[in-house]
Amino acid sequence: AQKITQTQPGMFVQEKEAVTLDCTYDTSDPSYGLFWYKQPSSGEMIFLIYQGSYDQQNATEGRYSLNFQKARKSANLVISASQLGDSAMYFCAMRDIGYSSASKIIFGSGTRLSIRP
Amino acid sequence: NAGVTQTPKFQVLKTGQSMTLQCAQDMNHEYMSWYRQDPGMGLRLIHYSVGAGITDQGEVPNGYNVSRSTTEDFPLRLLSAAPSQTSVYFCASSYAVDRAPLSGANVLTFGAGSRLTVL
Repeated sequence: AQKITQTQPGMFVQEKEAVTLDCTYDTSDPSYGLFWYKQPSSGEMIFLIYQGSYDQQNATEGRYSLNFQKARKSANLVISASQLGDSAMYFCAMRDIGYSSASKIIFGSGTRLSIRP
Repeated sequence: NAGVTQTPKFQVLKTGQSMTLQCAQDMNHEYMSWYRQDPGMGLRLIHYSVGAGITDQGEVPNGYNVSRSTTEDFPLRLLSAAPSQTSVYFCASSYAVDRAPLSGANVLTFGAGSRLTVL
């Protein structure tokens, strides 16, 4: 069965520092996708970055990168040079792809990131 | 392009009342889903659908019904509301996985959310 674990309920980081948000996952499917979403205080869900299980390189999108360690089943989000606007909830999510086109997407419990000026 | 539209944004119910949360998307997405968000629990999948006439249960389906009569619409029904169903509800959609199996194209697009309070 799919499972996503985020072990950091909350984090405080100084502005301009880099931050790593942890995410581990479990699946028996060899084909899957991993996602990170940001939820600011306004409540909307914003897609940040995607990593496919067969991607050879770690995904990057601007200041966001995904540290994908397949053998350890981890997909940590790295935010470089954090900004005050990065303060938000961050969710890791996973979608099994290989066995069925009806693949559902499940989410972790989230990490609340607070950036200190 | 409206994306995913959820209504209502806010609703207060009394225990035992019924209601329907509406969700519509105009992106021709095959996959649609409902999540509930509670503090400390993240987003939990209630029901999902991969096309008209096809629905399946997620992680927390009890107390909720869904149907998918068209590609565009995926309403969530609460038949007899309970205080435990007080939550923020999100509808989300994407292309089917087999359309773009290992591509970021199967990213979920979310609605703005609906805050439901059951007294």
